[in-house]
Amino acid sequence: AQKVTQAQTEISVVEKEDVTLDCVYETRDTTYYLFWYKQPPSGELVFLIRRNSFDEQNEISGRYSWNFQKSTSSFNFTITASQVVDSAVYFCALSEAKGGSEKLVFGKGTKLTVNP
Amino acid sequence: GAGVSQTPSNKVTEKGKYVELRCDPISGHTALYWYRQSLGQGPEFLIYFQGTGAADDSGLPNDRFFAVRPEGSVSTLKIQRTERGDSAVYLCASSLRGTAMNTEAFFGQGTRLTVV
Repeated sequence: AQKVTQAQTEISVVEKEDVTLDCVYETRDTTYYLFWYKQPPSGELVFLIRRNSFDEQNEISGRYSWNFQKSTSSFNFTITASQVVDSAVYFCALSEAKGGSEKLVFGKGTKLTVNP
Repeated sequence: GAGVSQTPSNKVTEKGKYVELRCDPISGHTALYWYRQSLGQGPEFLIYFQGTGAADDSGLPNDRFFAVRPEGSVSTLKIQRTERGDSAVYLCASSLRGTAMNTEAFFGQGTRLTVV
C-alpha cells in the first residue's frame, strides 16, 4: 500500500533561515511519481514540483530545492533564506499511476511559519 | 475562467439532507479529481475522471457519495443523507491529461461543507 509520512507537524523559523521539510514514502511499485504542494491560508493547493521514480537528480528552483533519494525513500524539500510569504502548509504526495489510477496519496502536511 | 472554480464556497446543511457540489475545471482539461480534506489532514482521494468516465472511484467512502461528469467538463459531487462526519473541505482538481502523463493538477479553492 502507498503511504506518505511527513513527520514534522509544525515548524517555526525566523526569516532568512533555511528550512528542510521531510517526506518519506512507501510504495511497492517501481514506477511512481512524487509531488510537493503548498497550501497557503487561502486554501488552494499550489503545485511546486513533480518527480518520477527514474529521475533521482536533485532539482533547484530559485530558493527551493528538492532532494530525492530512492535508497531511503525520501523526497525532502528545502527552502533557502525563508521569507514570511513561505508560511503555509506543505504537502508531499505520491502517485503510482498504474491501471489507470491517477490518485495522489498525500501526507498529513507540515505547517511552516516564517516569523519576521 | 483561468482556474478551477468550485461552487458554493461554503455550504451548511442539516444532517440527512442531500447536497451537490460543483466543479468547473480549466477549459480543455480531460482529467478531473475530487478530494476531501478534513481539518489538520492531507487531502484524501475520492474519485478520478478521464473525460466523462470515472476511471477510479475507489476513494468514495460509501454509496451515499456519487459523482458525475456528463459532458467531460463540469463535474458534480453528490452526497445523499449527509452525516456530521461528512463535514470537510471538498477539493476539485483538473489536469490536461493526467498527473502520470506529465501534466500537473491544478486545484480549486474548495467547498467547505458543514453538516449540522
